Amino acid sequence: AQTVTQSQPEMSVQEAETVTLSCTYDTSESNYYLFWYKQPPSRQMILVIRQEAYKQQNATENRFSVNFQKAAKSFSLKISDSQLGDTAMYFCAFTYTGNQFYFGTGTSLTVIP
Amino acid sequence: DTAVSQTPKYLVTQMGNDKSIKCEQNLGHDTMYWYKQDSKKFLKIMFSYNNKELIINETVPNRFSPKSPDKAHLNLHINSLELGDSAVYFCASRLRGLSNEKLFFGSGTQLSVL
Repeated sequence: AQTVTQSQPEMSVQEAETVTLSCTYDTSESNYYLFWYKQPPSRQMILVIRQEAYKQQNATENRFSVNFQKAAKSFSLKISDSQLGDTAMYFCAFTYTGNQFYFGTGTSLTVIP
Repeated sequence: DTAVSQTPKYLVTQMGNDKSIKCEQNLGHDTMYWYKQDSKKFLKIMFSYNNKELIINETVPNRFSPKSPDKAHLNLHINSLELGDSAVYFCASRLRGLSNEKLFFGSGTQLSVL
């Protein structure tokens, strides 16, 4: 069975500071994809960043980067220079060549001015 | 030119009514999903269709019936609505088999059952 665990229900960070959101997953698959989705108060689900398991290099998208530790099955999201617009719910997700996307329970991030 | 569009965005209705939510994607994707997001923000998959064929059918009351007339559309019909059906329902789509796997979401339908 595939599972995704986000152990931090809520986090906060001062504007311009850096914050790291944690995610662990469990799978027996060798080729898979990991994602972080952001859901701001507008409710829209927005893809933040994506990592392919066969790539050792950590993905980066502007202020967002991941720390992908395949052996540890860990996939954390680092947000640098936090902005007020980063306030949102963040979901870690996983999929392989099957049909399912597995989502974690989310981390609510508040950026404090 | 919204990629995944679902209508309506808000739906307020009485218990016992029947309602439908429509979803359309113009991305050429072959797989579509319905997710339910409860008040705790947990995302639970309900159904998935691939090329009009039902491939995921999670434990969902049979009052919920998906219908896919073609691979660009996946609608959700709900009979005899109950208070517990109040949630946000998301449609999503993907193109299976490519190296750039990702899930595209609609903007959600907030269903309130009174």
